[in-house]
Amino acid sequence: EAQVTQNPRYLITVTGKKLTVTCSQNMNHEYMSWYRQDPGLGLRQIYYSMNVEVTDKGDVPEGYKVSRKEKRNFPLILESPSPNQTSLYFCASSFSGGRNSGYTFGSGTRLTVV
Amino acid sequence: QKEVEQNSGPLSVPEGAIASLNCTYSDRVSQSFFWYRQYSGKSPELIMSIYSNGDKEDGRFTAQLNKASQYVSLLIRDSQPSDSATYLCAVNRNAGNMLTFGGGTRLMVKP
Repeated sequence: EAQVTQNPRYLITVTGKKLTVTCSQNMNHEYMSWYRQDPGLGLRQIYYSMNVEVTDKGDVPEGYKVSRKEKRNFPLILESPSPNQTSLYFCASSFSGGRNSGYTFGSGTRLTVV
Repeated sequence: QKEVEQNSGPLSVPEGAIASLNCTYSDRVSQSFFWYRQYSGKSPELIMSIYSNGDKEDGRFTAQLNKASQYVSLLIRDSQPSDSATYLCAVNRNAGNMLTFGGGTRLMVKP
């Protein structure tokens, strides 16, 4: 089944404790992206990647890191999480950019930082 | 001004009616436009994309694009209670992968 898989689905952590949210897609998509979704603010792009070793900042990159060492994986790293990073996170992938940039989303990761 | 704007709703329509969802965007160079549906607690799923001015139909859904007015809309014909969800408009602002979402419109279809 074609899908984007995120793990974990739920995570509660403490301020400052480094964490990684994994994302993997099995559709051989070139493009991958991370979004966070907050009430009243909608979906905001954190980082995106157009290919292996090619990443770029989205609208809200502060406090996050990403890497794209393999085409299928695009982990999101929070080096020192803070409570304002409590949010619902989505990983997404698409075949290419432009007209084909309709994303397939993962199931989401609900992160709580206390 | 937000880059992609939608009325948050809720938009309430009776079953069988046409639901009309609207979206405006600020960046004139935007190339591609997408409509997503998101059920409560679930991830967004792509409904339709549109790139050229005019209408594009897919089953009960019709997307409309007017680049001169910077306006995108989604019409849902014969609305069903299962269409009750939040509808997100998304705009690709460049040839790459910067996809910007509106805040979404919550649609309620009443039996």
